[in-house]
Amino acid sequence: ELKVEQNPLFLSMQEGKNYTIYCNYSTTSDRLYWYRQDPGKSLESLFVLLSNGAVKQEGRLMASLDTKARLSTLHITAAVHDLSATYFCAVVTGNQFYFGTGTSLTVIP
Amino acid sequence: GAVVSQHPSWVICKSGTSVKIECRSLDFQATTMFWYRQFPKQSLMLMATSNEGSKATYEQGVEKDKFLINHASLTLSTLTVTSAHPEDSSFYICSASGGHGYTFGSGTRLTVV
Repeated sequence: ELKVEQNPLFLSMQEGKNYTIYCNYSTTSDRLYWYRQDPGKSLESLFVLLSNGAVKQEGRLMASLDTKARLSTLHITAAVHDLSATYFCAVVTGNQFYFGTGTSLTVIP
Repeated sequence: GAVVSQHPSWVICKSGTSVKIECRSLDFQATTMFWYRQFPKQSLMLMATSNEGSKATYEQGVEKDKFLINHASLTLSTLTVTSAHPEDSSFYICSASGGHGYTFGSGTRLTVV
C-alpha cells in the first residue's frame, strides 16, 4: 500500500515569513496534487504536478515535485493570514488517491 | 467546468435511521466516483470506488451492508448510511473522475444523535 507522509502536521508561522511543507510518498506514482481545506469545507485544488522537476506557482504558494526522491514540497512565501488552512498532498496511482496526513497551517499576525 | 454537486451539505439523523447522500457531476460524465470519510482533524479515508453500472469496490474495513453505494448513471452516485449510529458521524466527501482529472464535492456533514 502506498503511504504518504506530510510534515509538519501543525505549523504556526508569523505573517511575512517563509516556510515549506513536505510530502513524502513510498512508491512511484502517476501524479501528485496539493489541496487546501478550510474548516468545515471540502477540498480546493491548488496544484497538480505531473512529472519530475515540475514546479508550479500561484500567488504566495509554489509546489515542486521530485519523483526520484518521491518528494513534493509546498513553499509558502511571505505568509498572510488568509493562508491559514489545512493543506493536503495526494498521490495518484492508477485511479486511486492516497492522501497525506495533512498540515494544519496557522498564520499569526 | 467540472462541477460536482453534493447534497445535502449537512444532515442530522436519529440513531438507527438511514441517510442518503447524493453526488452529481453537473457538466461531465463521471465514469468513476469515490467516497471518502473524514473525521475531525484527520485526513480523508477512501471508503469505496464505484464505476457506473458496476458494484462498488470497498476498502478494507468498510462495511458494505452499512454503506450502500449506487452508481446507476454517469452523473449520479449515492451513498446510503444504513442504521446510522453516533460513530458514523463524520464528514463525507465524494469525488468524480471523468477523464479531466478529479473533482471533489462540497461534502456532507453527518451527525447521528
